[in-house]
Amino acid sequence: QQQVKQSPQSLIVQKGGISIINCAYENTAFDYFPWYQQFPGKGPALLIAIRPDVSEKKEGRFTISFNKSAKQFSLHIMDSQPGDSATYFCAASSTTTGYSTLTFGKGTMLLVSP
Amino acid sequence: GAVVSQHPSRVICKSGTSVKIECRSLDFQATTMFWYRQFPKQSLMLMATSNEGSKATYEQGVEKDKFLINHASLTLSTLTVTSAHPEDSSFYICSVGSTEAFFGQGTRLTVV
Repeated sequence: QQQVKQSPQSLIVQKGGISIINCAYENTAFDYFPWYQQFPGKGPALLIAIRPDVSEKKEGRFTISFNKSAKQFSLHIMDSQPGDSATYFCAASSTTTGYSTLTFGKGTMLLVSP
Repeated sequence: GAVVSQHPSRVICKSGTSVKIECRSLDFQATTMFWYRQFPKQSLMLMATSNEGSKATYEQGVEKDKFLINHASLTLSTLTVTSAHPEDSSFYICSVGSTEAFFGQGTRLTVV
């Protein structure tokens, strides 16, 4: 019930294209869904996050789409750039129950080709 | 967000020795900090929750006697890997904040 399933495992996108990474969760108590970006040899950095009271959140080129009924959420990176090449992790947590620590997906390695 | 500093960023130690990793919250008083372990091309695995002024809470399967955690102040938590072995080689990362988490830059530990 604590799992967060992330796909694809890796992704290659041409510069200027749209990168889409998907995550699904099982625990209906989850109410906070962040995305993290990690460059090699660095710690993860919070990119964008959403709560289930909205279906979409946009920050610059990054958008989270959230489907509560399907228990799925996704990250869209518009106009992908080579500098976006990194590993992306989705995560989930519950602010109201005992699952307050983050449960991470397995990660997606994104390569944006020039 | 919170600024978290980890030291050292890289360390190489001999098998059987102990290594201490520091995690500092520079702009946020943290009663709890979190320690993760990450193997190459894998996700983050929560090892333990560091509690200021009390014992750490370890996740299932994590040896508390091997991974000693001390949280002596609201801004500093340390992880000591005792009697390190090559299989302990990994990327160790700390964070502040349980829900909205902010991570340190990580420590690459290599045990030779």
